[in-house]
Amino acid sequence: NAGVTQTPKFQVLKTGQSMTLQCAQDMNHEYMSWYRQDPGMGLRLIHYSVGAGITDQGEVPNGYNVSRSTTEDFPLRLLSAAPSQTSVYFCASRSTGREFFGPGTRLTVL
Amino acid sequence: AQSVTQPDIHITVSEGASLELRCNYSYGATPYLFWYVQSPGQGLQLLLKYFSGDTLVQGIKGFEAEFKRSQSSFNLRKPSVHWSDAAEYFCAVGAYNQGGKLIFGQGTELSVKP
Repeated sequence: NAGVTQTPKFQVLKTGQSMTLQCAQDMNHEYMSWYRQDPGMGLRLIHYSVGAGITDQGEVPNGYNVSRSTTEDFPLRLLSAAPSQTSVYFCASRSTGREFFGPGTRLTVL
Repeated sequence: AQSVTQPDIHITVSEGASLELRCNYSYGATPYLFWYVQSPGQGLQLLLKYFSGDTLVQGIKGFEAEFKRSQSSFNLRKPSVHWSDAAEYFCAVGAYNQGGKLIFGQGTELSVKP
C-alpha cells in the first residue's frame, strides 16, 4: 500500500491564482480530511469527508473548496490564492482508531 | 468549547534525561486522545492513543502517556531521551464517531542536547 499520497510536495503561487492540491489513499478509508499547519498553531481542520459525495467544513474552511467523487481521492482547491494561505497542507485518512497522514504540501503564496 | 493546550512551546532536555510533555484538553464528551510526532520536513506519525481502559498507555519508541480525567490531562513521558527524539510533538483529542473531528494542540518542539 502506498498509504496517503499528496502532490505536489512544493508549490509557489501568485496572489489570485488557483490550484488544486491532490490527495489519494489506497486503504479504502471512508473518512478523509485536510489540515493546514502553521507555526505555533498546530494543525487546523479545513474540510473533511465521511464518504464519497459527502463533505463538510472544518475549523478554517474559508478560501478552500473540496469534493469527494471517489473513496480514493479528496482534492483541495484554492480558487483565488492569498498570502494568508501560505502554509503546509496535510491530507489524512482515517481507519479504526487513528489517522494516516500524507507527507504534506508546502505552499507559498506571493 | 473543545480545545487542546500544550503549555510548553519548546523544551530542551539532555540525552538520557527523562521527558514529560504536557497536554490539557477541554472536551464535552469522553475523549479519544492521541500523541503524534513530526520530524522536520515529515508528516505526522502516531505515537500512542487512548480510547478506554487502562489509563496508562504504551506507545512506540519507548513513549507512554497517562490519562487523568480529573485533571483533563494526557501527558507524554519517556524515561530516557535519545537524540533521535528531537522533533515536534502534538497532542490531539477527538470523537471517533462518524464525522468526529480531531483537534490538535499547538505542538511542543523538543530539542535534545548531548
